[in-house]
Amino acid sequence: QQQVKQSPQSLIVQKGGISIINCAYENTAFDYFPWYQQFPGKGPALLIAIRPDVSEKKEGRFTISFNKSAKQFSLHIMDSQPGDSATYFCAAKDNQGGKLIFGQGTELSVKP
Amino acid sequence: DVKVTQSSRYLVKRTGEKVFLECVQDMDHENMFWYRQDPGLGLRLIYFSYDVKMKEKGDIPEGYSVSREKKERFSLILESASTNQTSMYLCASSRSGYGYTFGSGTRLTVV
Repeated sequence: QQQVKQSPQSLIVQKGGISIINCAYENTAFDYFPWYQQFPGKGPALLIAIRPDVSEKKEGRFTISFNKSAKQFSLHIMDSQPGDSATYFCAAKDNQGGKLIFGQGTELSVKP
Repeated sequence: DVKVTQSSRYLVKRTGEKVFLECVQDMDHENMFWYRQDPGLGLRLIYFSYDVKMKEKGDIPEGYSVSREKKERFSLILESASTNQTSMYLCASSRSGYGYTFGSGTRLTVV
C-alpha cells in the first residue's frame, strides 16, 4: 500500500513564528505533491503544490521545500498568524492515475 | 463558484441500516472520490471513479459500495452500517488529479 507519512501530528506556534510540517514518501512514481488546508467544518482546500522537478515553491508566506533524493517534502509557513490555525494535509499523486494519497494530517495552532 | 455538494452535513443512523451518502459536482469533472477522515489517520480513500459507471476500490472499501450513474453524481453506500463506520466522509472531484475540490463533508454517527 502506498504511503505518505506526515509529522508532527500537532504543532503549536507563536504568532510571527515559522511553522514547519514534514512529509516522507516511498513511491518514486509520485509526480505531484500538494498541500491542503482544512478549517473546522469545511472540506480541505488546495493551498500550494509542487512537482518533483523543482526543489522549492513559494506563494506568499507559504513555501514547499522538496528533496527528491531523500523522498521528503515540507511546508513552511512564515510569520504564522492565528488565522493559519487549521489542519494541514500533505499528499502525493501517482503518475499512473488521478488519485491522491494523503498524509495523516497536522493540527496547527498559532497562539496570539 | 465551483462546487462539490454533499447532501447532508450530519447523519445519525442505526446499526444495520443501509445508508446513502450523496455527492454532486458542477465542474464537469471526470474523477470523483470518497474519503473518510478520522483523527490521526488522515484521509483514507474508500472508492473512486474515473468515469460514469466506472468504479475502483481504494484502500478501505470493505463495507462500502458506490454508484455513478451520471457524471456529476457519485454515491457512497453503506450496505449495513456498523459503529466502526462512524466518521467524517468527504467527497472530492478533479479533472486530472492535479487539483481536488472537496465538499464540506458528512459527519455520520452510527448508533
